[in-house]
Amino acid sequence: EVQLVESGGGLVKPGGSLRLSCETSGFSFSIYSMNWVRQAPGKGLEWVSSIDGSSNYIYYADSVTGRFTISRDNAKNSLYLQMNSLRTEDTAVYYCASGSVRAGKYDYWGQGTLVTVSS
Amino acid sequence: IQLTQSPSSLSAAVGDRATITCRASQGIRSSLAWYQQKPGKAPKLMIYAASTLQSGVPLRFSGSGSGTDFTLTISSLQPEDFATYYCQQLNSYPLSFGQGTRLEIK
Repeated sequence: EVQLVESGGGLVKPGGSLRLSCETSGFSFSIYSMNWVRQAPGKGLEWVSSIDGSSNYIYYADSVTGRFTISRDNAKNSLYLQMNSLRTEDTAVYYCASGSVRAGKYDYWGQGTLVTVSS
Repeated sequence: IQLTQSPSSLSAAVGDRATITCRASQGIRSSLAWYQQKPGKAPKLMIYAASTLQSGVPLRFSGSGSGTDFTLTISSLQPEDFATYYCQQLNSYPLSFGQGTRLEIK
C-alpha cells in the first residue's frame, strides 16, 4: 500500500522557519518525482515545488522562490520542504504528492500538514 | 498558464448529469488532470491526460478536450460525487490549478 505521511507543520511567527517532511512507503521512491502543493484555509490548490528522482531538476512557484527549498533523501524514502522567511500568506495545509509532468498526473497524496504563520 | 473553471459552483440532484469545464490561457495539448476533493481530505486523482480514467475511478466519470478547452462529465451523479473538483495543467512549469468547482446536492 502506498503511503505518504507529512509532518513538521505548526505555528510560526512571520519571518520564521519551518521544515516539513514527507515519509513515504509502498513504491519505488527514488524513481518518482515528488511535489508539494498547498491549500490556504477555504481556498483552492496551489502548486509549490517539484523535484525529480535524482534531484537534478527542481522547480518552484514564484511565490516561494528564494524562500523555500525542496529536497529529498532517497535512502530514507523522504521528501522535505525547508521554509524560510515565512509570511502570513504562507498559512496553508501543505500536501506532498507523487507524480510528474512526464506522467501527467499526481497520483498519490499525503493527508497534509497545517502551517500557520501568525504573530 | 491560467486555468479558469466554470461554473464555480453547481447544484445538482442525484442521477443528474454534471459538466464542468476548464479553459487554459494557452494551449496545453492534453496535459490536464482532474482531482476530486472532499472537506478535510487530500485531493484524489480522477482523470489524467485529459481523458484517461485513473484506476478505480467509476466509469460514470469521463474527460475530454485538448489544447485550451477541457470538460469533466459525471454521467449520473451519486451521493459520494458531491465534492469540489479541480483541474491541473501539467504541460509546463510553473504548474497550475483551476480555482475549483463546488458540486452541491440540490
